[in-house]
Amino acid sequence: NAGVMQNPRHLVRRRGQEARLRCSPMKGHSHVYWYRQLPEEGLKFMVYLQKENIIDESGMPKERFSAEFPKEGPSILRIQQVVRGDSAAYFCASSSGETQYFGPGTRLLVL
Amino acid sequence: QKEVEQDPGPLSVPEGAIVSLNCTYSNSAFQYFMWYRQYSRKGPELLMYTYSSGNKEDGRFTAQVDKSSKYISLFIRDSQPSDSATYLCAINGGTSYGKLTFGQGTILTVHP
Repeated sequence: NAGVMQNPRHLVRRRGQEARLRCSPMKGHSHVYWYRQLPEEGLKFMVYLQKENIIDESGMPKERFSAEFPKEGPSILRIQQVVRGDSAAYFCASSSGETQYFGPGTRLLVL
Repeated sequence: QKEVEQDPGPLSVPEGAIVSLNCTYSNSAFQYFMWYRQYSRKGPELLMYTYSSGNKEDGRFTAQVDKSSKYISLFIRDSQPSDSATYLCAINGGTSYGKLTFGQGTILTVHP
């Protein structure tokens, strides 16, 4: 049973470009969560999604960031016009209940 | 005041020692308590999950929750070098169901 899958594992972007991070939840899980881990900081919640619905986006920056979890396909976290401060590890988690299982993360580096 | 405070460490112990990791939280509405282990440059791995006050044991790991004091602990018995990692407490529930609130993490090193 495959775990949570994320790709790419590493992503390098120049300032002003767009970053797209993908997450495929564990089989049977319909809840997806995105977290960000900045250097020397803990994991911070960004957004909680179910299929075609955003449940809680209280942790998402107001501009440039968006997330979706379409009926078919992976969840996507999209960052437009990236800045150096967006450099971080982005983790996706999925669940079918209270316990969340994390993917390996995407490490975004903005040059 | 942060919602979840975790002893930052770092912690360095000899192999075989008992390790105690601790977190406090401020919101009494929190209901679910988890401990994750994160190896360097990897994703967090769920170790323990509990929702009630008391102890829960799984092998060398024991999770303890005291809701009256808003205090949670993870004990590792007979620690091994392979336990060297960052340990994160995480709490769920309250008004934002689904959102995990993490402690800052404690870096543990177990030396042979």
